[in-house]
Amino acid sequence: GAGVSQTPSNKVTEKGKYVELRCDPISGHTALYWYRQSLGQGPEFLIYFQGTGAADDSGLPNDRFFAVRPEGSVSTLKIQRTERGDSAVYLCASSLYGGNNNSPLHFGNGTRLTVT
Amino acid sequence: ILNVEQSPQSLHVQEGDSTNFTCSFPSSNFYALHWYRWETAKSPEALFVMTLNGDEKKKGRISATLNTKEGYSYLYIKGSQPEDSATYLCAFISGNQFYFGTGTSLTVIP
Repeated sequence: GAGVSQTPSNKVTEKGKYVELRCDPISGHTALYWYRQSLGQGPEFLIYFQGTGAADDSGLPNDRFFAVRPEGSVSTLKIQRTERGDSAVYLCASSLYGGNNNSPLHFGNGTRLTVT
Repeated sequence: ILNVEQSPQSLHVQEGDSTNFTCSFPSSNFYALHWYRWETAKSPEALFVMTLNGDEKKKGRISATLNTKEGYSYLYIKGSQPEDSATYLCAFISGNQFYFGTGTSLTVIP
């Protein structure tokens, strides 16, 4: 079956621009996570959805970052007024129920964002 | 912020050598520990989901152990092959959250 799909795979944007990153999870997975990975670091948590609602958005670094999952499936991560420090690989992962049900994460291939 | 540490950060081994690396995590509020393998140009894939103290899991030449009381897990690879080259990530699960370590980058030299 289809895995987690992320688009675009690469995005180059100028400082100050707005970007949207899309994640299409595995069908039927209720939990969806966004992570950000910078060089030499492990995946850094951004936000976690259970269904349509953001169950935990404590990882969003500031109010320039926002994410939605309006129908409990596809999610969009939105970054306003991008800064060079936002450059990273943005990973999306889905899980059947979430971490506390022993269901592992299924990751997409990531979106590599470069802010020039 | 939960601290999950992995060591070593990187490792180069000869084909056929056996190797192991460590994941350290908080010993309180433990729910589960996951291991993932992340090959270049691919997405991370789950290797093991471990929940019980003393758990041992095995998949082919790769195995893992878990000690929740002292807060560590070991990943072992027996007879390393070039296709084992990847970054190995561990994730500590607590409260539906996955807290990742920085990974161990393994390179197996043919």
